Amino acid sequence: QVTLRESGPALVKPTQTLTLTCYFSGFSLSTPGVSVNWIRQPPGKALEWLARIYWDDDKYYNTSLRNRLTISKDTSRSQVVLTMTNMDPVDTATYYCARMPPRPDYGMDVWGPGTTVIVSS
Amino acid sequence: SYQLTQPPSVSVSPGQTASITCSGEKLGTKYTFWYQQKAGQSPILLIFQDTERHSGISERFSASNSGNTATLTISGTQSMDEADYYCQAWDNKIGVFGTGTRVTVL
Repeated sequence: QVTLRESGPALVKPTQTLTLTCYFSGFSLSTPGVSVNWIRQPPGKALEWLARIYWDDDKYYNTSLRNRLTISKDTSRSQVVLTMTNMDPVDTATYYCARMPPRPDYGMDVWGPGTTVIVSS
Repeated sequence: SYQLTQPPSVSVSPGQTASITCSGEKLGTKYTFWYQQKAGQSPILLIFQDTERHSGISERFSASNSGNTATLTISGTQSMDEADYYCQAWDNKIGVFGTGTRVTVL
């Protein structure tokens, strides 16, 4: 069974750096074709894709947030980490991680429950 | 940057058909994906590769993609289908979600 779970601070101050960890099980990020994505959703608003990391460490970022985001993986520990610098109240959101399986163009088939981050002084 | 536009809301009577559009430049040249998000829950994958239903998804859900518009159709809409729906595509491997559509079953 594939599961993902996001973890991180519930509250961060403006200008601080946010570090989120996606813990996953049931699949390996060393399997060719697999990737993990980060997505966020501000309260009452739409989903926003943030970043994606592939099994081979290839990485892609939201164009508008590229300068603030870093995604990395620890395959042996089944973790994907997202850092976002210079946090602002507009970054208040629920942050999700989601897997894409090793099938071309399949979609994000399993999502974590999300973790809520509030940015406030 | 690439953008996908959806109508904010769609209302449908039980048993009727609901159609949700997703518009983007030359969207028909990209694969479109559809996600359903019920209140307080994480999104779930409904449709991949424009028309293919994800495992376990009801046959009441179908989709198409051509030109600049992708469409998700819910046939025989039930109260359990009341949710937010998002289209999604990849633009040079950069993910883009649509603006989202709230489906209300009256």
